[in-house]
Amino acid sequence: DAGVIQSPRHEVTEMGQEVTLRCKPISGHNSLFWYRQTMMRGLELLIYFNNNVPIDDSGMPEDRFSAKMPNASFSTLKIQPSEPRDSAVYFCASRQQGALGAFFGQGTRLTVV
Amino acid sequence: QKEVEQNSGPLSVPEGAIASLNCTYSDRVSQSFFWYRQYSGKSPELIMSIYSNGDKEDGRFTAQLNKASQYVSLLIRDSQPSDSATYLCAVDNNAGNMLTFGGGTRLMVKP
Repeated sequence: DAGVIQSPRHEVTEMGQEVTLRCKPISGHNSLFWYRQTMMRGLELLIYFNNNVPIDDSGMPEDRFSAKMPNASFSTLKIQPSEPRDSAVYFCASRQQGALGAFFGQGTRLTVV
Repeated sequence: QKEVEQNSGPLSVPEGAIASLNCTYSDRVSQSFFWYRQYSGKSPELIMSIYSNGDKEDGRFTAQLNKASQYVSLLIRDSQPSDSATYLCAVDNNAGNMLTFGGGTRLMVKP
């Protein structure tokens, strides 16, 4: 398996633009997590899905953020409109129920100017 | 109080020494515990998991768990400069397969 795949790896956008981050989890993993990492706040859980259903989105900072998981092999995190304070590295991770830990993708480094 | 706490460091050790990284957690029902290593500019990488009290060894790494004290640690023997990274502790609180991460400890191994 190729592991968790995220795209794009880097994204630079202007304030006010819509940004969509994509994630393909490891095949067979039934949980998917979106994290945001900054120097100031560390690794923050934004939202996670079990079996494609959102379980906890309490970490989503505000309504500008939304996430979907239309099927077991794809998820998106959308920011609309983007703001400079959204600049961070966004990680997607997947996990098999009850087994091992979560495995992370390479991350998307988002810069909003 | 954070659910999973780690000293942010940096923890500086000389090459060849034992590095000891510590983590405490607040949820007593937690069952699974994990250590991740994150190099600068890279994603977290799972390096150890532990589920029962005691020690678990894997090469130069030993994870230690004490559920009564709600404490988990990672020992790195014969530390190498390549071990310099941030180490993240993660805990599964059995709430729907979610992992909660600590803030991480930055380890610096000096040649």
